[in-house]
Amino acid sequence: EAQVTQNPRYLITVTGKKLTVTCSQNMNHEYMSWYRQDPGLGLRQIYYSMNVEVTDKGDVPEGYKVSRKEKRNFPLILESPSPNQTSLYFCASSPKGGPVGATEAFFGQGTRLTVV
Amino acid sequence: AQSVTQLDSQVPVFEEAPVELRCNYSSSVSVYLFWYVQYPNQGLQLLLKYLSGSTLVKGINGFEAEFNKSQTSFHLRKPSVHISDTAEYFCAALYSSASKIIFGSGTRLSIRP
Repeated sequence: EAQVTQNPRYLITVTGKKLTVTCSQNMNHEYMSWYRQDPGLGLRQIYYSMNVEVTDKGDVPEGYKVSRKEKRNFPLILESPSPNQTSLYFCASSPKGGPVGATEAFFGQGTRLTVV
Repeated sequence: AQSVTQLDSQVPVFEEAPVELRCNYSSSVSVYLFWYVQYPNQGLQLLLKYLSGSTLVKGINGFEAEFNKSQTSFHLRKPSVHISDTAEYFCAALYSSASKIIFGSGTRLSIRP
């Protein structure tokens, strides 16, 4: 089954304790991205990757890191989490970014992160 | 700046009533438009998309949307809603000059029996 898998689904952590949220897709998609969803703000893009070893900042990259060593995986790293990073996070993938062959994004189930 | 606006944060309707969820996007020569649905505790799922061609787009679960270039709108409609349509709905746009999808702030649809 084609899917985007995020882990964990729920996470409570303390300020400053490094954490990683994993994201994996089995559709051989080139484009992957991370979003955070906050009430009244919709989804805001954190980072995206056009292909392996190619990553770039989205709208709200501060406090986050990503890597794209393999096509299928795109982990989100919070080196020193703070309470303002408490949010619902979504990973998404699509065959291509940009207008060429524009297609929709496929989303993971989400990771609800609470930083105390 | 490119943007997507959903003016209604919440829309309550009675079961079997029609519904329209509004979406406006900032004007652009080339834009692709999407509606996503998010059911409670789930990720986003594509409802429908407009890339080109017919301005009336039909999606899953009986939803449809109309692309109106002059009004820069892409409103979502359903003639008769069910309790199972309770969810949050996101309008999104992909501009030819950008490499990312821009989302609106979402509209929460609540269905009353």
